Amino acid sequence: AQTIHQWPVAEIKAVGSPLSLGCTIKGKSSPNLYWYWQATGGTLQQLFYSITVGQVESVVQLNLSASRPKDDQFILSTEKLLLSHSGFYLCAWSPRGGNYAEQFFGPGTRLTVL
Amino acid sequence: DAKTTQPDSMESTEGETVHLPCSHATISGNEYIYWYRQVPLQGPEYVTHGLQQNTTNSMAFLAIASDRKSSTLILPHVSLRDAAVYHCILRVANQGGSAKLIFGEGTKLTVSS
Repeated sequence: AQTIHQWPVAEIKAVGSPLSLGCTIKGKSSPNLYWYWQATGGTLQQLFYSITVGQVESVVQLNLSASRPKDDQFILSTEKLLLSHSGFYLCAWSPRGGNYAEQFFGPGTRLTVL
Repeated sequence: DAKTTQPDSMESTEGETVHLPCSHATISGNEYIYWYRQVPLQGPEYVTHGLQQNTTNSMAFLAIASDRKSSTLILPHVSLRDAAVYHCILRVANQGGSAKLIFGEGTKLTVSS
């Protein structure tokens, strides 16, 4: 069975500090990977997607970057956090060659920027 | 992607069958109708999807109007676990890995005991 793990579960960071959030998918080869963000009380927005190692496409510009260093790993980062980065970050995957819109979401990381 | 319209909220009681409507008057012929649900502080969960024919799975029944301008997600015998925000989303077929799910406000379903 496929499992998706996100770390950390929650984070409290200062404005201007760096950030790195991680996501790992086990049990699925070469998945498509996605990062989503949801502001408190807001709607879910897709930030990035990746269909293969080393390739990441940006969907929404939020002064964040993403990388896919391994087939099963997706990283979201920034060198300087803004207050507006607070929210709920979700990683998702869909099977390669399958139904790309049937996406499976991880448990999420709650980020508070002070 | 075409726009969908859903009621802001609906209320139900355990054991009832709930009908969640979604209007998509400008849907294109190659757009699928997807339903996801989300509870607070968790990621969305895929519920079902369809193109033209009604579909059913262990979670729900999706009824699609013959003109495809509306659909209804039917949840039989709801329990407290079914309380969530339900999102109706349209997706163009075969967009590959770039499939972007556009979540709106959805319908907040409240289930009381």
